[in-house]
Amino acid sequence: EDQVTQSPEALRLQEGESSSLNCSYTVSGLRGLFWYRQDPGKGPEFLFTLYSAGEEKEKERLKATLTKKESFLHITAPKPEDSATYLCAVQAVGSGNTPLVFGKGTRLSVIA
Amino acid sequence: GAVVSQHPSRVICKSGTSVKIECRSLDFQATTMFWYRQFPKQSLMLMATSNEGSKATYEQGVEKDKFLINHASLTLSTLTVTSAHPEDSSFYICSAIEGNQPQHFGDGTRLSIL
Repeated sequence: EDQVTQSPEALRLQEGESSSLNCSYTVSGLRGLFWYRQDPGKGPEFLFTLYSAGEEKEKERLKATLTKKESFLHITAPKPEDSATYLCAVQAVGSGNTPLVFGKGTRLSVIA
Repeated sequence: GAVVSQHPSRVICKSGTSVKIECRSLDFQATTMFWYRQFPKQSLMLMATSNEGSKATYEQGVEKDKFLINHASLTLSTLTVTSAHPEDSSFYICSAIEGNQPQHFGDGTRLSIL
């Protein structure tokens, strides 16, 4: 069974204090690993897709990396507006659009 | 691009009422749409996968007669919660895919059954 575990559940940072969020996964065959940001009362907002071990992607203060067992979302010098829940999901190889399996997310709070 | 609109954003209704939620892809044709349910501080749980013009595929434990899904066109899918009860209260989110692109999500519908 495909599984995604995210840690920590919650993270509180001071503005400018860099850190990393972890996403550990098991999947029968990885088609892609996805990172989303979710604000309270909203749907998830797409951030990145990673397809193979060693791949990295960056967007502003965020950088996502991927190994065969886990992915990290690095946040450099975060600002209060980066506060949100960050969701990790995996998609298994299969015919057609196989569904995403989500982790429970990491709730990030950045304090000014 | 890749905007998904979900309506309504919030519904409060009495027990026994049926509620319809719409999910539209505004600027692309969605080959597949997904419906999720999310409880507070929990992950998104997939309810069903919907392909245009065919019957939805429901996940184990999801009652298809309770949660009716219609995907009549490449830009619209609807979820109808029939005879809703308080235990159906939740946050329902749809997503849509075009080809091999990432899933894009609507802003969700907060359903409260009194």
